[in-house]
This record gives sequence, structure tokens and C-alpha cells, in this order.
Amino acid sequence: AQKITQTQPGMFVQEKEAVTLDCTYDTSDPSYGLFWYKQPSSGEMIFLIYQGSYDQQNATEGRYSLNFQKARKSANLVISASQLGDSAMYFCAMREASSGSARQLTFGSGTQLTVLP
Amino acid sequence: NAGVMQNPRHLVRRRGQEARLRCSPMKGHSHVYWYRQLPEEGLKFMVYLQKENIIDESGMPKERFSAEFPKEGPSILRIQQVVRGDSAAYFCASSPGLAGEGSEQFFGPGTRLTVL
Repeated sequence: AQKITQTQPGMFVQEKEAVTLDCTYDTSDPSYGLFWYKQPSSGEMIFLIYQGSYDQQNATEGRYSLNFQKARKSANLVISASQLGDSAMYFCAMREASSGSARQLTFGSGTQLTVLP
Repeated sequence: NAGVMQNPRHLVRRRGQEARLRCSPMKGHSHVYWYRQLPEEGLKFMVYLQKENIIDESGMPKERFSAEFPKEGPSILRIQQVVRGDSAAYFCASSPGLAGEGSEQFFGPGTRLTVL
């Protein structure tokens, strides 16, 4: 089973509007962390936001917020007031406490966001 | 404070040659991760190293791939006898230590390997 599922291969949004990128996850570990990364066309991976499984409040970082619904196992990324520079691939990732000694990140397949002028 | 550095940024090899990818972690970071991103896919974990130790290589292909993180110098991901299927972006990430779930991994810019 997929640990991280991003069901939207591509999304379009009008400049200045808000957009939600979906992410669902699968884990039996009570302790885990959820991350979102942005990958522009230049290829680097840019950390956006983090949500811990025990955090009571949804994480926010500037125009980024994470809509964390623990019971539904979803961690959607909301980008408010989209800008042309937000056009990029967005990856959801998870780290589980039980992922062994590595504590490596498990990534979804990504969503390509295009912001239209 | 320089971020994670990877070189080369782009590497072209012919089938059968060797590829060496280098990663210098952020200053003060002693934990290094290597991930591979095949075209149109997300990143997949390959190996986790600390200085002079391979801690977890469960994501590494069994043959032709090896990694090291010596006491001095960068971490090296080595691919012997490359094949076309090795063409991918290889990312290195570093972290200061094995902290909790919120410990962020800082990614390098990646090395794009093309096998002709």
C-alpha cells in the first residue's frame, strides 16, 4: 500500500486565488511527521512546512498552511493568494518514528501546480 | 552558512562507466541521506550514513551502488557500470542528528545523471 498518496497529478489556479493540494497518508505509527516540499523547474527541493502528529494546531508558514485531519489521515497543503512563482511540483512526505534507524522521508508522487496569470 | 552542496550538478556517462556523486553536508551536520528521483516520480530513499558508518542502506540496489561518508571529506555515492535506467536526479540531504520527527532534512540541489 502507498504510504503517501497525492491524487492530483496536475492542478491549475488563477493568480491571487487560494489552492489546496491533497495528501493522504497511511501509517500505524502513533508518532510521525508530515512535510511539504516545493520543487521548481530548476530542480532543488525547498522545504515549506511541517506538521507533527501530536501537534494540536494546524501548521502555518506565511502563505502556506497545512490542513491536518488526523482521523482522515490527510495533510492537505493550502496556498493562499497564489503567485506566478508558486508554479512548481509539490511533494508531500512523511517520517515515521518506526522507520528504523534512518528516519528517512517517504515521498508521494507529487502534484504539478500551474498558476495562471 | 552554506547549505548542502552537491557536485557535479549535471553528469553524463556512457553505459558501463562509473559515476561518482559528491555531497558536502551543512556545517555541523553529521547525518547524510541519499535519495533518487526517477523521471516523473517522487524521491525514494536509498541510504543513510553517519561519519564512517552506513546506518541503513535498505533502499540501495544490491549491485553496482555503494556509498561512503569518510571522516574527512564529502559523502560519495558511487555507481559502477552505469545503465540507462540509472538516469535520474540524485539528492543528498543532511540533518544535525537523529532528532525527533520534526527534524528537518536540508536538501542539496541534486545531481542529474544522464546515461547515454
